[in-house]
Amino acid sequence: TQLLEQSPQFLSIQEGENLTVYCNSSSVFSSLQWYRQEPGEGPVLLVTVVTGGEVKKLKRLTFQFGDARKDSSLHITAAQPGDTGLYLCAGEGDSNYQLIWGAGTKLIIKP
Amino acid sequence: DVKVTQSSRYLVKRTGEKVFLECVQDMDHENMFWYRQDPGLGLRLIYFSYDVKMKEKGDIPEGYSVSREKKERFSLILESASTNQTSMYLCASRPTTRGGRGETQYFGPGTRLLVL
Repeated sequence: TQLLEQSPQFLSIQEGENLTVYCNSSSVFSSLQWYRQEPGEGPVLLVTVVTGGEVKKLKRLTFQFGDARKDSSLHITAAQPGDTGLYLCAGEGDSNYQLIWGAGTKLIIKP
Repeated sequence: DVKVTQSSRYLVKRTGEKVFLECVQDMDHENMFWYRQDPGLGLRLIYFSYDVKMKEKGDIPEGYSVSREKKERFSLILESASTNQTSMYLCASRPTTRGGRGETQYFGPGTRLLVL
């Protein structure tokens, strides 16, 4: 069974600070996706990483896929209150249809 | 823009009632999914469908059934609702370009179901 462990589960920091969220597994994934979910809404895709070692940037967000394609990280620089939300990672594993989901990181950025 | 809509945002039902949750997508996607989301557990797949009238069990299908009679519509049925089915239910759709690999899942806004 493939699992994705996401950490931390909860993070509350001041505006302007930096933070990193991690997704780790002992399994290899063909791709890994990061989603953000705001209260009362469904998750929305932020980025997909496919190649081992790949780094993608989305404004102040930097996503990295591990060289062995078993782990990924999301780094936010100078966090803003608008970054508040639930961040979910999801790995594409053995099945063509099923994503393996992390438990999520609830992020609160205080003004 | 892809749009996935769910029939209700909030539902309150009594134990033993039959509950229908409907999901409609407007992008002609082949794949559709039903998840439930509980705090600290992430998204757990209940059922998915890769084509009309086709369905596969996910990780937690017990107590649920699904129906996909038309490509755009995927229904989740709780045959006899129980209190442990109180949860947020999310529907998603996805195209199968490149066999679906790396493709985005598009989510509806969710239905928050309370079973009393």
